[in-house]
Amino acid sequence: EVQLVESGGGLVQPGRSLRLSCAASGFTLGDYAMHWVRQAPGKGLEWVSGISWDSGSIGYADSVKGRFTISRDNAKNSLYLQMNSLSAEDMALYYCAKALGGGSGHPLYGMDVWGQGTTVTVSS
Amino acid sequence: EIVWTQSPATLSMAPGERATLSCRASQSVSSNLAWYQQKSGQAPRLLIYDASNRATGIPARFSGSGSGTDFTLTISSLEPEDFAVYYCQYWETFGPGTKVDIK
Repeated sequence: EVQLVESGGGLVQPGRSLRLSCAASGFTLGDYAMHWVRQAPGKGLEWVSGISWDSGSIGYADSVKGRFTISRDNAKNSLYLQMNSLSAEDMALYYCAKALGGGSGHPLYGMDVWGQGTTVTVSS
Repeated sequence: EIVWTQSPATLSMAPGERATLSCRASQSVSSNLAWYQQKSGQAPRLLIYDASNRATGIPARFSGSGSGTDFTLTISSLEPEDFAVYYCQYWETFGPGTKVDIK
């Protein structure tokens, strides 16, 4: 079964850091680009960041550029998102998603497999 | 910057009816448009990619069409499980969504 499982969310104080992980199973992560998409409570979907299969193409939303870093370890079938300087605006459910293609860190062709998400709460 | 709108914001329909959802761009774009369905408490599910291609396992009652600035998702006959929020996505941008609820 093709599956993505996110972890690492939790409660964090403003200004602090958190690292999210996404474990893939049922397919070879290294064949595909991967993305992080978030959804604030009661709001719509927002693309956060993406990384090509070989980490050669990486993209970030303007809202997280300079604060978040995406990375991957194909040998471990895992995707990561390092989030620094967190604020209340970053509070959301964070989804890991598999791209239809492999070559771009930007979601050009859609995302066909999604995890169930991990919740990030930013509060003092 | 391309601005995306989805209309209507809410669509009240009865099972068996035909639903037509619109996604419009402020300027002409390529056909790399995707549609997703999201049910309450669940992750999004890819329905359509490249404007008109059904994703794996998606029922034939879902179809996508359009080009340029105007794209449409059509559900030919609503099933009870189709009541959800639908988002279009073009590159890094998701539309605001259309909620299809039961009339």
